[in-house]
Amino acid sequence: QVQLVQSGAEVKKPGSSVRVSCKASGGTFSSYAFSWVRQAPGQGLEWMGRIIPIVNLVNYAQNFQDRITISADESTTTAYMELISLKSEDTAIYYCTTPPAHSTSFDYWGQGTPVTVSS
Amino acid sequence: FILTQPHSVSESPGKTVTISCTRSGGSIASNYVHWYQQRPGSAPTTVIYEDNQRPSGVPDRFSGSIDSSSNSASLTISGLKTEDEADYYCHSSDPSNQVFGGGTKLSVL
Repeated sequence: QVQLVQSGAEVKKPGSSVRVSCKASGGTFSSYAFSWVRQAPGQGLEWMGRIIPIVNLVNYAQNFQDRITISADESTTTAYMELISLKSEDTAIYYCTTPPAHSTSFDYWGQGTPVTVSS
Repeated sequence: FILTQPHSVSESPGKTVTISCTRSGGSIASNYVHWYQQRPGSAPTTVIYEDNQRPSGVPDRFSGSIDSSSNSASLTISGLKTEDEADYYCHSSDPSNQVFGGGTKLSVL
């Protein structure tokens, strides 16, 4: 069973950046396709981007492509999401998620990382 | 493309409710649709994958379908229980994007 464990809560100033990590276990790294999804308070799910490490493919949602970098480290089976130029509207819970091999449904989720952007 | 869901639905325990997810831009049948349940304070969990498949552990009261004529997918929950009260999201994709519907708040009262 795949488990995703994310880094802890962050409090950031406007204009700064945040890096959230997501350590995977219980599967093979080559089968992962890590997506990052955020959820602002009281709002819905918003896909931010993904990385498929086995083919080194990265896609970003248009809303974020100027501010986001997604990466992965096979040696530590960890995915990362960095978001720069933070604004108060970036206050949200950030989730990593991955489907099972040969699927596209987001069956596995991290516990979520709250990020608060406030001066 | 965009997936549009009703903002909220409500129904009584024991009844049946259907939540729609309409695709704008492209065919609903061109990519699988998945459905997630999210309770407050928790990450989403899959209740339907690949249009109409139910993960192990999800009651058979949950079912999914797609309708090409209306370009929409549907999640149907029968025999409603108070524990089904949650937010529900549809999700689909194209080769470079993943898209969620805006979510539907289900009230069972």
